[in-house]
Amino acid sequence: GENVEQHPSTLSVQEGDSAVIKCTYSDSASNYFPWYKQELGKRPQLIIDIRSNVGEKKDQRIAVTLNKTAKHFSLHITETQPEDSAVYFCAASMEYGNKLVFGAGTILRVKS
Amino acid sequence: DSGVTQTPKHLITATGQRVTLRCSPRSGDLSVYWYQQSLDQGLQFLIQYYNGEERAKGNILERFSAQQFPDLHSELNLSSLELGDSALYFCASNPSGADTEAFFGQGTRLTVV
Repeated sequence: GENVEQHPSTLSVQEGDSAVIKCTYSDSASNYFPWYKQELGKRPQLIIDIRSNVGEKKDQRIAVTLNKTAKHFSLHITETQPEDSAVYFCAASMEYGNKLVFGAGTILRVKS
Repeated sequence: DSGVTQTPKHLITATGQRVTLRCSPRSGDLSVYWYQQSLDQGLQFLIQYYNGEERAKGNILERFSAQQFPDLHSELNLSSLELGDSALYFCASNPSGADTEAFFGQGTRLTVV
């Protein structure tokens, strides 16, 4: 079926360390892969996205990589800070762009 | 502020009842998505509408239905409510398909007692 698997479900890192979250998707036609951050009690907000014609994208401390052959993509956060603590969701477009399916989420805790 | 408005913010109702959640998308957005987020759970895709027509369906229960009106606002109807339906219901919108950024509303927290 159409699904996005996300690992790990929880991640604790020390402030200043890097964090990596990985996702795999099932639909080989998927062409859009956004990452959302959701702080407690708030709405999910886009932090970075990547399209299938690009292998890597970076925005300051955040980067996303995509391996279309293996159907997986990853979020990399460097020099983590306490304010990075949140739930992170990956997503992939499916059904030729008609459906945005989310992973189960990763709770990131940055310890100071 | 994402520009997506959901009402009400909170809703408490009894089992067996029926409720309607409302979503006003960003100005100009034709697509509306509905998601359910239960406690400690991810975002479960329910349904998508595009310019008034249903475009994609997720694991939406038969007790749930939705529609998008000519002015592009959308409503999610939940009937015969059960305790397990208690969740945060998000609406999101974007200009067209699911291959561009979706902007989320602040959600409606439904509590079924």
